Amino acid sequence: DAGVTQSPTHLIKTRGQHVTLRCSPISGHKSVSWYQQVLGQGPQFIFQYYEKEERGRGNFPDRFSARQFPNYSSELNVNALLLGDSALYLCASSYDLDSADTQYFGPGTRLTVL
Amino acid sequence: AQKVTQAQTEISVVEKEDVTLDCVYETRDTTYYLFWYKQPPSGELVFLIRRNSFDEQNEISGRYSWNFQKSTSSFNFTITASQVVDSAVYFCALSEYSNSGYALNFGKGTSLLVTP
Repeated sequence: DAGVTQSPTHLIKTRGQHVTLRCSPISGHKSVSWYQQVLGQGPQFIFQYYEKEERGRGNFPDRFSARQFPNYSSELNVNALLLGDSALYLCASSYDLDSADTQYFGPGTRLTVL
Repeated sequence: AQKVTQAQTEISVVEKEDVTLDCVYETRDTTYYLFWYKQPPSGELVFLIRRNSFDEQNEISGRYSWNFQKSTSSFNFTITASQVVDSAVYFCALSEYSNSGYALNFGKGTSLLVTP
């Protein structure tokens, strides 16, 4: 079975631009979460979606937004990019919305903002 | 406030040595879940284990073992007879419900280097 997939793998943008990252969850999983991991740190929670609704949001500015589609795939959008947005963006999927559910991670999208 | 503390930033061992990675967590909930993930240089987080707050039994999986102690709020991970392929960053994470949903709170990770 395919795991969580993310696209693109790498991305280079300049300050002020907009970026869209995509994620496809494991088949049958209904929840998708997004995390930002800057170099040398643990992943930081950005959003959690379940059944196409936002169910959780971390401490990130409004420049960050996301959505989940009927097929449970998801997009993360970041507007007005800053140098500090350079990071590995990880998508995770889980079957349900519960603290007991294991979140399985994709390979990530490495975003570089110049 | 840091909910998960991994005090060891980097550990270096020689192959076949045993190594223990420490994790201390903080929560007010009685029901919570703890996880360990491995992040090799490729970047993908690989799930290793999940433990719920009501199960304090230690677990062993091959060369890996986990020691969960609620009394000290610790969930330590031991690799026996380490191998070069174990070189990676290891993250401990806490899952609990908050107004941020069921987010995983990660520690800062411990970078393990196993040399031949």
